[in-house]
Amino acid sequence: KAGVTQTPRYLIKTRGQQVTLSCSPISGHRSVSWYQQTPGQGLQFLFEYFSETQRNKGNFPGRFSGRQFSNSRSEMNVSTLELGDSALYLCASSLYLGQATKNYGYTFGSGTRLTVV
Amino acid sequence: AQKVTQAQTEISVVEKEDVTLDCVYETRDTTYYLFWYKQPPSGELVFLIRRNSFDEQNEISGRYSWNFQKSTSSFNFTITASQVVDSAVYFCALDDASGSRLTFGEGTQLTVNP
Repeated sequence: KAGVTQTPRYLIKTRGQQVTLSCSPISGHRSVSWYQQTPGQGLQFLFEYFSETQRNKGNFPGRFSGRQFSNSRSEMNVSTLELGDSALYLCASSLYLGQATKNYGYTFGSGTRLTVV
Repeated sequence: AQKVTQAQTEISVVEKEDVTLDCVYETRDTTYYLFWYKQPPSGELVFLIRRNSFDEQNEISGRYSWNFQKSTSSFNFTITASQVVDSAVYFCALDDASGSRLTFGEGTQLTVNP
């Protein structure tokens, strides 16, 4: 079965611009979460969506936003890009059946490498 | 607050040596899950193992083994007879009670030399 697909793989943007990244989860997975990976801060949680609702949010400024569509595909948007936003953005897909009957793991995509110049 | 510490930033071994990657975690949750992921140069995080807080049974999978000790809040990972293909960054991660966010350690860069 197809894995988690993130597009584009690489992106170069200029400071002040905005960017939208896309993530298509594994078929049947309803939870999508996003992580930012930088050499200085490591892997940090951005937010998580389940059935089009944001359930959890990390400690990032409001310039970082996301959404999830009815087909579970998710997008994240970063507005007014800063040099420090240069990072590998990873998306993870999860099959979530509820706390008591959780049968889950997180499957990650290959990421989008964003460079802000 | 959740915290995961991987004190070893880099480890370098010669092929066929055994190597152990350390992971120590902090959480106030009584139910939690721990994970190990491998990140090769391609960037994708590859799932290795999941362990829940109620299952302290150690696990062996081929050359990989995991030692979970709740008493010391540790979840260590051992590769037996390491191979060059094992070279990667390894991350330990903790899932909180909501089951929707992972807290990662800093990662350990493992280099296996021929």
